[in-house]
Amino acid sequence: DQQVKQNSPSLSVQEGRISILNCDYTNSMFDYFLWYKKYPAEGPTFLISISSIKDKNEDGRFTVFLNKSAKHLSLHIVPSQPGDSAVYFCAASGGNFNKFYFGSGTKLNVKP
Amino acid sequence: NAGVMQNPRHLVRRRGQEARLRCSPMKGHSHVYWYRQLPEEGLKFMVYLQKENIIDESGMPKERFSAEFPKEGPSILRIQQVVRGDSAAYFCASSPGNDQPQHFGDGTRLSIL
Repeated sequence: DQQVKQNSPSLSVQEGRISILNCDYTNSMFDYFLWYKKYPAEGPTFLISISSIKDKNEDGRFTVFLNKSAKHLSLHIVPSQPGDSAVYFCAASGGNFNKFYFGSGTKLNVKP
Repeated sequence: NAGVMQNPRHLVRRRGQEARLRCSPMKGHSHVYWYRQLPEEGLKFMVYLQKENIIDESGMPKERFSAEFPKEGPSILRIQQVVRGDSAAYFCASSPGNDQPQHFGDGTRLSIL
């Protein structure tokens, strides 16, 4: 049961442009969402989070948007840099913060 | 200022052997989580532990897998009688509390011959 889905396995963007990574979820009980970034042979690194009481959270070049009615969240990176090239995972938790459900990841390639 | 430390980074076992994966959480973190990642898939929750207690093991296979987080020392994920399907990357994460983001180690890549 894939409760968190990232339907785009890959995304290619030109340096300086905006990268938009999308994530959909099915469980209406989810109320805490995170994005992680992962380089090959390393563990995921926490990027940014959002709780369901907000619809937007911003941290530097990274902004996460949450649309609860659509059960959709997105990560915007602007401007994109070559060092942003990595796999991005979204994760969700509901009520019980201890268990996170991860999407399958989107591989972002930022071209110089 | 060490992060989450996992060892070994790579582990090779033959079918039927035992695999032991270790995880030392970040300093000050008392919550430990184990995840498994199969190729081309996301991370799947396995188990959540606090010191000397298993809080949630709903993602752990009922047989052959066990986890512990003793009062002293690292958390251990143990897989008995490994099979080919156990080949995966196993990630450990820790947090200071259950309402905080989890910080991940670099994983242990388990290969079964």
